[in-house]
Amino acid sequence: KAGVTQTPRYLIKTRGQQVTLSCSPISGHRSVSWYQQTPGQGLQFLFEYFSETQRNKGNFPGRFSGRQFSNSRSEMNVSTLELGDSALYLCASSLAGGVGNTIYFGEGSWLTVV
Amino acid sequence: EDKVVQSPLSLVVHEGDTVTLNCSYEVTNFRSLLWYKQEKKAPTFLFMLTSSGIEKKSGRLSSILDKKELFSILNITATQTGDSAVYLCAAESNSGYALNFGKGTSLLVTP
Repeated sequence: KAGVTQTPRYLIKTRGQQVTLSCSPISGHRSVSWYQQTPGQGLQFLFEYFSETQRNKGNFPGRFSGRQFSNSRSEMNVSTLELGDSALYLCASSLAGGVGNTIYFGEGSWLTVV
Repeated sequence: EDKVVQSPLSLVVHEGDTVTLNCSYEVTNFRSLLWYKQEKKAPTFLFMLTSSGIEKKSGRLSSILDKKELFSILNITATQTGDSAVYLCAAESNSGYALNFGKGTSLLVTP
């Protein structure tokens, strides 16, 4: 059974550009959540989707957005990139999200903003 | 504001030692506490704890939750170099569909 797949794995962008990251959850999983990981702040929750609906959003500016498609695949977008957006972006999936559902992480997309 | 605090932030031990990693939490409508191991890749799931005082065990790793004192510990016995990683603790609430992570404990096991 394939795990959570994220693409691209590594990318370098320039300040002011935008970026789109993609996540394919484990087959059968309908909840997808996104986290940002930086050395200073650790893992911070960005948002969670279930059945194409955003159920929760973390404390990030509106430049960070996401969506989920009918096949449960998800994308997140960051517009007007800033140097501080350099981070590992982790996607996680679970059967239905929420209580009691084990959350499995992908290997992440390493974003460097220069 | 919800928070999860892990200690120590980093630890260096010799192979064969036993280590205890700590995680305290303050989370509204707490539901469960999770432990993950992260090497240079995806965090991998270790344990989910929902009930106080019930130890979960997997090989040399074990964990327990104290819901009265709001903390959990992760024990690793007979450590091996392959245990070197960052150990993450996260608290989940009854609502929100989000995990609140601590900053992690970086464990280095030396031969």
